[in-house]
Amino acid sequence: DIQMTQSPSSLSASVGDRVTITCRASQSISTYLNWYQQKPGKAPKLLIYGASSLQNGVPSRFSGSGSGTDFTLNIGSLQPDDFATYYCQQSYIMPRTFGGGTTVDIK
Amino acid sequence: QVQLAQSGAEVKKPGASVKISCRASGYIFTNHAIHWVRQAPGQRPECMGWVNGGNDGTDYSQRFQGRVTFTRNAAANTVYMELTRLRSEDTAVYFCARDIGGESTKLDPWGQGTPVIVSS
Repeated sequence: DIQMTQSPSSLSASVGDRVTITCRASQSISTYLNWYQQKPGKAPKLLIYGASSLQNGVPSRFSGSGSGTDFTLNIGSLQPDDFATYYCQQSYIMPRTFGGGTTVDIK
Repeated sequence: QVQLAQSGAEVKKPGASVKISCRASGYIFTNHAIHWVRQAPGQRPECMGWVNGGNDGTDYSQRFQGRVTFTRNAAANTVYMELTRLRSEDTAVYFCARDIGGESTKLDPWGQGTPVIVSS
C-alpha cells in the first residue's frame, strides 16, 4: 500500500492566518491526490482533487499544489468555519489510502 | 441535490455479520461508482473498496477480501455493504461516498455514516 504522511499532525492558528499543510506519498502518485475536510461527527468533504483542482462550491481561499510525492494544501486566510481536520488521499492505486490528518484549531 | 442516506447504527457481537445500506438520490445512480470507507475512533479513514453503480463490478481492498461484499439494487438506487466475521477492531463509522468520476477517484458527497459497535 502507498503510505501517506501529513505534517504537522496539528496546528493552532488565528482567524486571518495563512495555513499550510503538507502531505508526502511513499511513492510517486503523479497528481492523483485529493484533500478532504472533516468536522467532528461529520463525514469528510471534498475540497481539492487532482492535487490542485478546486471542487465546486469550495471557497477560493483553499488551494492545492504538488506532484509526484510532495503536496501542499494552503488556506489563504483562515475563517472560523475552517477549524477542522484535513486529510489527504491518494487516488493512484487501490487501496486509496489517506494521510493521518492535520487538525487545525483556534489559537 | 445529490444525497446519500445510510441505514442506522448497529451493535453486533464478535463473529456476527453486519449489512449497511446506502440510498442515493439526486443523480443517475448507474452513472457513478459508490465507495465504502470506514473510520475507527480517532483514526484516519480507510478505504474498503467500491461497487460500480451501472453493473455488479466491484473492487475490494485486499485487507477486507473474503469478509466484505458490496451489492446493489439499481431499481432502489441503493448499494449495500456486508462485513462478516466481525471482531472488535471493526468498530468504526462506515461511510458510503459517490465517486464523481472522470480520470481519478474523487468522493463527493458522502453519506452521514453508520456507526458499528462490535462488542461481546
